Amino acid sequence: GIQVEQSPPDLILQEGANSTLRCNFSDSVNNLQWFHQNPWGQLINLFYIPSGTKQNGRLSATTVATERYSLLYISSSQTTDSGVYFCAVPNYGGSQGNLIFGKGTKLSVKP
Amino acid sequence: GAGVSQTPSNKVTEKGKYVELRCDPISGHTALYWYRQSLGQGPEFLIYFQGTGAADDSGLPNDRFFAVRPEGSVSTLKIQRTERGDSAVYLCASSLRVGGTDTQYFGPGTRLTVL
Repeated sequence: GIQVEQSPPDLILQEGANSTLRCNFSDSVNNLQWFHQNPWGQLINLFYIPSGTKQNGRLSATTVATERYSLLYISSSQTTDSGVYFCAVPNYGGSQGNLIFGKGTKLSVKP
Repeated sequence: GAGVSQTPSNKVTEKGKYVELRCDPISGHTALYWYRQSLGQGPEFLIYFQGTGAADDSGLPNDRFFAVRPEGSVSTLKIQRTERGDSAVYLCASSLRVGGTDTQYFGPGTRLTVL
């Protein structure tokens, strides 16, 4: 099946700093989602981004499908951004529906 | 509208017992998914439904695990003869359709602890 790798595994930032999280995937996909898992365990949808660039406030994401990677940008980080960020793609390129998750990037934003 | 809800939020049971975990998807979503998340890992797929039928149960770890969705809405994940290794957070998600092209929305999860 498809492999999803995220980097870095851990990231510590000072409040106000910017960061880039990366997601590589091993096969063509027709969907990619970024999630934020907050300290209470809730998975919050950030972006549905099979290709191109999207922005939502201080967050933006870019997926380059032909090169099989996606980037999540966090600008002017805040302590509430802390948590684990996951990217996920559909199994078998989308025909199966279930998502394959990376292991996540654990972000800690210090005040 | 309301999001995906799961009950209970926490379940503590003893080894060998039977447990049921419930998921209420977003109204109108035909696809429903169950995932399991162990500490420090990303969620891992268990089973998904399109309507009432289990379209893919290849992620269920063994025959102690079973899930139903009798009316195409609420789903119940059932675990028989629980083992300590079953301890994890069980997540449910729903999407408008199956096929991987729709956004999946996740519930808050049920934290299962098997003593």
